[in-house]
Amino acid sequence: EDQVTQSPEALRLQEGESSSLNCSYTVSGLRGLFWYRQDPGKGPEFLFTLYSAGEEKEKERLKATLTKKESFLHITAPKPEDSATYLCAVQAVEYGNKLVFGAGTILRVKS
Amino acid sequence: GAGVSQTPSNKVTEKGKYVELRCDPISGHTALYWYRQSLGQGPEFLIYFQGTGAADDSGLPNDRFFAVRPEGSVSTLKIQRTERGDSAVYLCASSLVGLSTGELFFGEGSRLTVL
Repeated sequence: EDQVTQSPEALRLQEGESSSLNCSYTVSGLRGLFWYRQDPGKGPEFLFTLYSAGEEKEKERLKATLTKKESFLHITAPKPEDSATYLCAVQAVEYGNKLVFGAGTILRVKS
Repeated sequence: GAGVSQTPSNKVTEKGKYVELRCDPISGHTALYWYRQSLGQGPEFLIYFQGTGAADDSGLPNDRFFAVRPEGSVSTLKIQRTERGDSAVYLCASSLVGLSTGELFFGEGSRLTVL
């Protein structure tokens, strides 16, 4: 059973068309929820960490939010350079010192 | 170097052969992680080092996989008797003191292909 589920698997947007990516989790003792960006052939690059429900963080066109069951990554007025795979990961009491990743959402932004 | 360095970037081997993958973490980072990523999937945890010791090796799939970090810096992931199912990108990540700082720094990975 997947502990971290991301949706949609893939998303195509026109430049400027805002949208949201979802990450739902079923762990009990959440310690942190992480968002990473991964470009083809590269390792994941850290974006945000969220620790408690209601928390929000922003970076340029990206805003991450957290509830008790899921997190959203909102992309406002995306540009082609925002195209990448966005990975969500959780750290939980039951996992110790490791992150458990979702499968990711592949985002393509067309100009 | 400024980031996590992994070598080789690409490795093609034959089924049954032995493979070593190397990770050079960011200087001063005490925590080091190995992950494995298959096509279309997120990274899958393999092993975590805090200093020289393996603090959590629960993700190693079987006893063909082994990793060391003898001096608390460079780490080597060793795979014996490789199988086609071992083909994946092996990612290394480091952090200052583990996940308490909230960020892992990943290398670009070593792509392993087992023929």
